[in-house]
Amino acid sequence: EAQVTQNPRYLITVTGKKLTVTCSQNMNHEYMSWYRQDPGLGLRQIYYSMNVEVTDKGDVPEGYKVSRKEKRNFPLILESPSPNQTSLYFCASSLMAATNEKLFFGSGTQLSVL
Amino acid sequence: GENVEQHPSTLSVQEGDSAVIKCTYSDSASNYFPWYKQELGKRPQLIIDIRSNVGEKKDQRIAVTLNKTAKHFSLHITETQPEDSAVYFCAASSENDMRFGAGTRLTVKP
Repeated sequence: EAQVTQNPRYLITVTGKKLTVTCSQNMNHEYMSWYRQDPGLGLRQIYYSMNVEVTDKGDVPEGYKVSRKEKRNFPLILESPSPNQTSLYFCASSLMAATNEKLFFGSGTQLSVL
Repeated sequence: GENVEQHPSTLSVQEGDSAVIKCTYSDSASNYFPWYKQELGKRPQLIIDIRSNVGEKKDQRIAVTLNKTAKHFSLHITETQPEDSAVYFCAASSENDMRFGAGTRLTVKP
């Protein structure tokens, strides 16, 4: 079954404590991206990756890092989380090679930073 | 960069009526326009998309229209059903820059 798997689904942490949200896809997709969803703001792109070892900033990259060491995994790293990073996060991969079209989203990670 | 505005923010219709959601975009280079549906507590899912070389696309009860000159595109849902209740997001993409609208919460009343 085609899947984009995010972990954890829910996370409560404290300011400044480094965390990683994992994302893995089993569809051999080249394009992967991270979004955050906040009420009234829709989905905003944090980072995206066109392929292994290729990453680029999206609209709201401040405070986040990513890596793409292998095609299937695209972890999101918060080195020093702050309360304004409390949000619902989605990882996505694209069904179309080398584009952001036809995105397939993971189930989401609800992050609360206290 | 691209800016996408979506209206209305909430929409309530009676079952069987039609629903229309409209989006405008600012970047004339945008060439791909998808629509995503997000049910409560679920992930966004692609329901229909259109490229800039096409003016209209239809898939059963769902259709999307694009007016490149006016830089707006719309989602039309006919014969609405309670299971159509969800938040709908439009998006506009140029190269790898995709921007989403703020979303429309559609409620279909039985």
